Amino acid sequence: RKEVEQDPGPFNVPEGATVAFNCTYSNSASQSFFWYRQDCRKEPKLLMSVYSSGNEDGRFTAQLNRASQYISLLIRDSKLSDSATYLCVVTRGGSQGNLIFGKGTKLSVKP
Amino acid sequence: NAGVTQTPKFRILKIGQSMTLQCTQDMNHNYMYWYRQDPGMGLKLIYYSVGAGITDKGEVPNGYNVSRSTTEDFPLRLELAAPSQTSVYFCASRPEIAEAFFGQGTRLTVV
Repeated sequence: RKEVEQDPGPFNVPEGATVAFNCTYSNSASQSFFWYRQDCRKEPKLLMSVYSSGNEDGRFTAQLNRASQYISLLIRDSKLSDSATYLCVVTRGGSQGNLIFGKGTKLSVKP
Repeated sequence: NAGVTQTPKFRILKIGQSMTLQCTQDMNHNYMYWYRQDPGMGLKLIYYSVGAGITDKGEVPNGYNVSRSTTEDFPLRLELAAPSQTSVYFCASRPEIAEAFFGQGTRLTVV
């Protein structure tokens, strides 16, 4: 089993749609969780950290379920500019552990 | 505020040549990483460092070497370049418990 697994995608959605990405991780000792965004041929950039109680940043909501070792990202009211690859990132072990990246899920938002 | 700076941005190497990819960060982060990303794939950890003088192997270290003589610099050395090392290389840094910040990447082609 891979350490971090994501929906393979791609997701093709119309503007205004709500889209959800799922991610599972295998190391129960993982302590820190993130969603990154990567535009084509660019470096990954932090979208949001994921906290145990769940957190929201504008149109983006992240959830963590430690019991199921599952992380999700919900994007509401999709914009054309949301088109990118979304990477689920987990620390291997504690919060100071190495960052392990999922392969990413590509999102294309169409007019 | 430069963040993480990588040089060069692009490079073409011939098989068997050597080169050093430079990475510098000005955020006083202890943790630094080198990842490679092949087309359509996720990021794979090559080497990492938790502080000056301390380095360790990641998932795919073969064919690479690193050093960390200062907090700021974490160069990646390719010895005897091979076509399999054609990739995009990202350097990243992070404080102990937080997200990572990435450089803009080095696109390397080995021919």
